[in-house]
Amino acid sequence: EPEVTQTPSHQVTQMGQEVILRCVPISNHLYFYWYRQILGQKVEFLVSFYNNEISEKSEIFDDQFSVERPDGSNFTLKIRSTKLEDSAMYFCARSGRGMLDTQYFGPGTRLTVL
Amino acid sequence: AQTVTQSQPEMSVQEAETVTLSCTYDTSESDYYLFWYKQPPSRQMILVIRQEAYKQQNATENRFSVNFQKAAKSFSLKISDSQLGDAAMYFCAYEIQGAQKLVFGQGTRLTINP
Repeated sequence: EPEVTQTPSHQVTQMGQEVILRCVPISNHLYFYWYRQILGQKVEFLVSFYNNEISEKSEIFDDQFSVERPDGSNFTLKIRSTKLEDSAMYFCARSGRGMLDTQYFGPGTRLTVL
Repeated sequence: AQTVTQSQPEMSVQEAETVTLSCTYDTSESDYYLFWYKQPPSRQMILVIRQEAYKQQNATENRFSVNFQKAAKSFSLKISDSQLGDAAMYFCAYEIQGAQKLVFGQGTRLTINP
């Protein structure tokens, strides 16, 4: 099954700036997820999104983060005021048919905060 | 706390040989799915294999198979006839029914020696 595409592939930003990471589903998926992976560490869950609402979020997903699906297609992760420790790979994932359907990952966006 | 432990930070194997990567997890739930994901140097997360906890039969996908021991909460991955393209980080993960998130282990870096 096709995954999702993510843009940009690499984003460099200054500390304190806002960034928007985009996830573009290839077909009509129902569930979306964001994960992050700090270099050399494990993949960590951020948030899950179903039917235009957040369904689950982790303690990492604080007020600095937000998600939305503004045009019914793209799924975005916004980081309002980036910090150095936000530097990481951010992965979007999708699943299609149900809550326990397998999650397929996009290629990731590498975020570098200077 | 829900945790996944991969006790082998690094493993190496000769090309064409068989290697087994270990994974244990901790959950009090009875309905969950287990996964192995592969992360090559490109850092994309690629699904290798999935196991439903309610199934006693071990999952297989070509050269990849698992040894699922539910009582011991163990979920190891066996790679037969190792190929150079198998070199990657391998992450074990599980998803509890209704949780809508994957919990990952720290990963095992697999090196294939020609």
